[in-house]
Amino acid sequence: DGGITQSPKYLFRKEGQNVTLSCEQNLNHDAMYWYRQDPGQGLRLIYYSQIVNDFQKGDIAEGYSVSREKKESFPLTVTSAQKNPTAFYLCASSLKDGNTEAFFGQGTRLTVV
Amino acid sequence: SQQGEEDPQALSIQEGENATMNCSYKTSINNLQWYRQNSGRGLVHLILIRSNEREKHSGRLRVTLDTSKKSSSLLITASRAADTASYFCATDENMYSGGGADGLTFGKGTHLIIQP
Repeated sequence: DGGITQSPKYLFRKEGQNVTLSCEQNLNHDAMYWYRQDPGQGLRLIYYSQIVNDFQKGDIAEGYSVSREKKESFPLTVTSAQKNPTAFYLCASSLKDGNTEAFFGQGTRLTVV
Repeated sequence: SQQGEEDPQALSIQEGENATMNCSYKTSINNLQWYRQNSGRGLVHLILIRSNEREKHSGRLRVTLDTSKKSSSLLITASRAADTASYFCATDENMYSGGGADGLTFGKGTHLIIQP
């Protein structure tokens, strides 16, 4: 089935540790995005990528890093520099022209313990 | 930056009634989209309306767009218990200004509860 897959669904991190969230898509989309969602809030853009080996900061990139070595994959690393990492993280992809719908993964809930 | 702002923040109605949610935005756009999110899940695309369109239908959904007022509404007719979810509007503000896929800008959503 075509779609976008995030893993793991739940992730626990100790303070001071880096963790990497996986996002894979087989929709042949050029554009991929990472969003953060806090309780009762909308989505805020962390990073996005329009093409392999290129990515841009979104509104809240501090404390996060990404890579785009393959078209299908856009992993997000939450570093120890992120002061408040507990949140629900959503990955999405779309056609590059931006005038179409975005497809979302099922999300990863990250909790700092 | 968050552009879309939904109103109301929460809405509770009886099954069978119609539900209306509104969204306002601040700058010019190419299109506006509505998404649905069930609790703890990803977002699912519902409908996209372009800036040169005023109304669009999809099944029990009706979306309107008023670019002069920078607002949109989502109407769900004959609501069902399964429609209980959060609904978000999203605009392409960044894409309009800079071109390319710069990510959608989301509002905080309307939480809709359908009472059986």
